[in-house]
Amino acid sequence: AQSVTQLGSHVSVSEGALVLLRCNYSSSVPPYLFWYVQYPNQGLQLLLKYTSAATLVKGINGFEAEFKKSETSFHLTKPSAHMSDAAEYFCAVSDQAGTALIFGKGTTLSVSS
Amino acid sequence: DAMVIQNPRYQVTQFGKPVTLSCSQTLNHNVMYWYQQKSSQAPKLLFHYYDKDFNNEADTPDNFQSRRPNTSFCFLDIRSPGLGDAAMYLCATSPGRRGGTDTQYFGPGTRLTVL
Repeated sequence: AQSVTQLGSHVSVSEGALVLLRCNYSSSVPPYLFWYVQYPNQGLQLLLKYTSAATLVKGINGFEAEFKKSETSFHLTKPSAHMSDAAEYFCAVSDQAGTALIFGKGTTLSVSS
Repeated sequence: DAMVIQNPRYQVTQFGKPVTLSCSQTLNHNVMYWYQQKSSQAPKLLFHYYDKDFNNEADTPDNFQSRRPNTSFCFLDIRSPGLGDAAMYLCATSPGRRGGTDTQYFGPGTRLTVL
């Protein structure tokens, strides 16, 4: 069965610093992986997704993620954090049927000035 | 703009009093999902419709039901809400491409409070 593990429930960075949010996956088939962002009291917004076309995936708001099969990882990065990046970030993997998303527990990103 | 709309954004109900949450979409997507998200937790899939086909997750309590009268609308009915059902309920849609590449588009959610 597919699963994702997000390392670190809370990450704090300074404005302008590198953002690194970690996600490791477990899948018996080639995975399809997603990163979503959730702002307080709002729904989830897709940041980016990996569907095997390219290992480095660029998303919205300057975020990108690299799929590393050897490390079973799909970490999310942004070179320079902005205050508006403060939110909850969820990594997810598509289930084998391709219908449901299985989410990690989420990582709260705090950005200080 | 095409979107996923949830009404109401905030719902308060009493213990045991049936409540219905609404979701509509202008994306003309085949698939509609309902997720439950408790405080500081990941969203958990309750069920989804692929067109008119209903798919219930194995661990979704019988207390939760859903209806999809047409492509645009989907409802979540909680027959007898308990205190443990207080959560954010998220509706999502996707085009319905098989194989795992489907992107799900989420509504803003309805926060349910049970008194």
